[in-house]
Amino acid sequence: DAKTTQPNSMESNEEEPVHLPCNHSTISGTDYIHWYRQLPSQGPEYVIHGLTSNVNNRMASLAIAEDRKSSTLILHRATLRDAAVYYCIGDTGRRALTFGSGTRLQVQP
Amino acid sequence: KAGVTQTPRYLIKTRGQQVTLSCSPISGHRSVSWYQQTPGQGLQFLFEYFSETQRNKGNFPGRFSGRQFSNSRSEMNVSTLELGDSALYLCASSLWEQGGLEAFFGQGTRLTVV
Repeated sequence: DAKTTQPNSMESNEEEPVHLPCNHSTISGTDYIHWYRQLPSQGPEYVIHGLTSNVNNRMASLAIAEDRKSSTLILHRATLRDAAVYYCIGDTGRRALTFGSGTRLQVQP
Repeated sequence: KAGVTQTPRYLIKTRGQQVTLSCSPISGHRSVSWYQQTPGQGLQFLFEYFSETQRNKGNFPGRFSGRQFSNSRSEMNVSTLELGDSALYLCASSLWEQGGLEAFFGQGTRLTVV
């Protein structure tokens, strides 16, 4: 599996941008980078995924380093509802998501 | 459109019993995966099905099994329950043949073994 490293926790203020980093130095050239989040008492929620170039969707942006050894999930304006554990996953093509411990994001009003 | 539906939401079983959990994927999704979440081990992959075939299995004992039906609905079974099987069991479905791509998770079944 592509091992990923994320900070254990981060804090942000409401309505400010949040940059969640992830290192995945062992990722292969064909592995997707996935981001999921899990709100309290809910199942994980798909956020975004990418392969090489930066990606945007209605929830977030994903900035992938040129060497693909790291990526950053960007929440453009954090809300209280964005408080969750964010998981960065390097896909191995095994059709399974290997979740690490993720980053717990706290959003202050 | 309806999301991934898991039933039941909560379950209490006694050690030694068996249990069957059900998952209805999003309409049109043929890949269904199962995960176990515990406070100590986090989220761990159990198995993945695509078009009624198990394509991948995680590192769990043979007491954990599953199947997928022709309508993509899936069930997982745990036999001879142990206290350590108490966990949140999550099902995820994906439109993509790759399985883990854009997976949508259900709310889970909270299993308590006493």
